[in-house]
Amino acid sequence: GAVVSQHPSRVICKSGTSVKIECRSLDFQATTMFWYRQFPKQSLMLMATSNEGSKATYEQGVEKDKFLINHASLTLSTLTVTSAHPEDSSFYICSAREWGEETQYFGPGTRLLVL
Amino acid sequence: AQSVTQLDSQVPVFEEAPVELRCNYSSSVSVYLFWYVQYPNQGLQLLLKYLSGSTLVKGINGFEAEFNKSQTSFHLRKPSVHISDTAEYFCAVSPRSNDYKLSFGAGTTVTVRA
Repeated sequence: GAVVSQHPSRVICKSGTSVKIECRSLDFQATTMFWYRQFPKQSLMLMATSNEGSKATYEQGVEKDKFLINHASLTLSTLTVTSAHPEDSSFYICSAREWGEETQYFGPGTRLLVL
Repeated sequence: AQSVTQLDSQVPVFEEAPVELRCNYSSSVSVYLFWYVQYPNQGLQLLLKYLSGSTLVKGINGFEAEFNKSQTSFHLRKPSVHISDTAEYFCAVSPRSNDYKLSFGAGTTVTVRA
């Protein structure tokens, strides 16, 4: 099956710093990537959708200047949490979809802790 | 817009017993339906999906689900569970369109006991 990786798996940072999370599709070309946020014991909340070579589309209530998304190639998307604060601590999960395919394949997630 | 309701937030079950996880959805357009499983501190793994054709869908790890269009349901079943099936299960739908955005249910926690 299709494999999606995320790096890092865990990150701890100080308040006010920026953190970059990478999402890679390892064996297919991901024309669309999605970024989700998941709070403990809750479902996934879609943050944004990014198509390769285009600007990301953010869901209502998600600050685009806070969560910078870049999808510069067909196998890599990055999420940068800028000026992170403790309330940004969460589990961030990406998924990827190939053109013409209806299924999203998920990465293993990144646990972010902001102190 | 789509919405998904998972009717059971927690399902305790004994090992080797059957389990059913209920999922209902609402949508103004035709949808694809999915079940994903999430183990602790991990991402989501696709269990099975319904795109078209036979309404009974078989997935990995012995799971199956049945699409019922009239009842707008997509319930997940397994005839005999293992301890390793302890996990969070998410039902999700996406419109049959270019963006394929997923709408998730709240999740069902399955705890399998010996």
